Amino acid sequence: DIQMTQSPSSLSASVGDRVTITCRASQGISNYLAWYQQKPGKVPKLLIYAASTLQSGVPSRFSGSGSGTDFTLTISSLQPEDVATYYCQKYNSARRTFGQGTKVEIK
Amino acid sequence: QVQLQESGPGLVKPSQTLSLTCTVSGGSISSGDYYWSWIRQPPGKGLEWIGFLYYSGSTYYNPSLKSRVTISVDTSKNQFSLKLSSVTAADTAVYYCARDGRYFDFWGQGTLVTVSS
Repeated sequence: DIQMTQSPSSLSASVGDRVTITCRASQGISNYLAWYQQKPGKVPKLLIYAASTLQSGVPSRFSGSGSGTDFTLTISSLQPEDVATYYCQKYNSARRTFGQGTKVEIK
Repeated sequence: QVQLQESGPGLVKPSQTLSLTCTVSGGSISSGDYYWSWIRQPPGKGLEWIGFLYYSGSTYYNPSLKSRVTISVDTSKNQFSLKLSSVTAADTAVYYCARDGRYFDFWGQGTLVTVSS
């Protein structure tokens, strides 16, 4: 089975900073990757699917890239409301698998 | 706008069966356009996909839970359900239902199920 590994597990950055989160698949998954944001105590929210397609209503400071085994989620200018845990999820097969999450905090 | 709502007991005894129902509104499970999934999140931990169902009744489960999981559908009520047998404290989690277009675009609010005697 394909494992999804996110890095880092947590990060602290200043408001306005560019933040990058990486998700690596143990085997190639083409572009079958989604990203979610989960704010504390809230329901996960879909940010990006097909590795780079922004879900409707998601701010343009969020972007995704990658294909195959290596993917990135970038926040171009970190805002206080972006404090959350971010998860990647693969869907190249029937078995959906999440990464372990990356917690983003404000420095 | 699709909405999903989980319901079921918040406390289950060890070795018993956890049963939850997800009621879908604003869209029909029978449309066949989507799968319908269950996902869980233990307190303070990450997300774990449990399995999905298609309106026809076909299912696919996470292999790590497959021996204990059953997901079923009641199209007349626009609901789908989760049963997890032989639960232990490790099954304590917030359980979410979600619309599954291979990724999850609509989620229920989640329901906390605690396994304890």
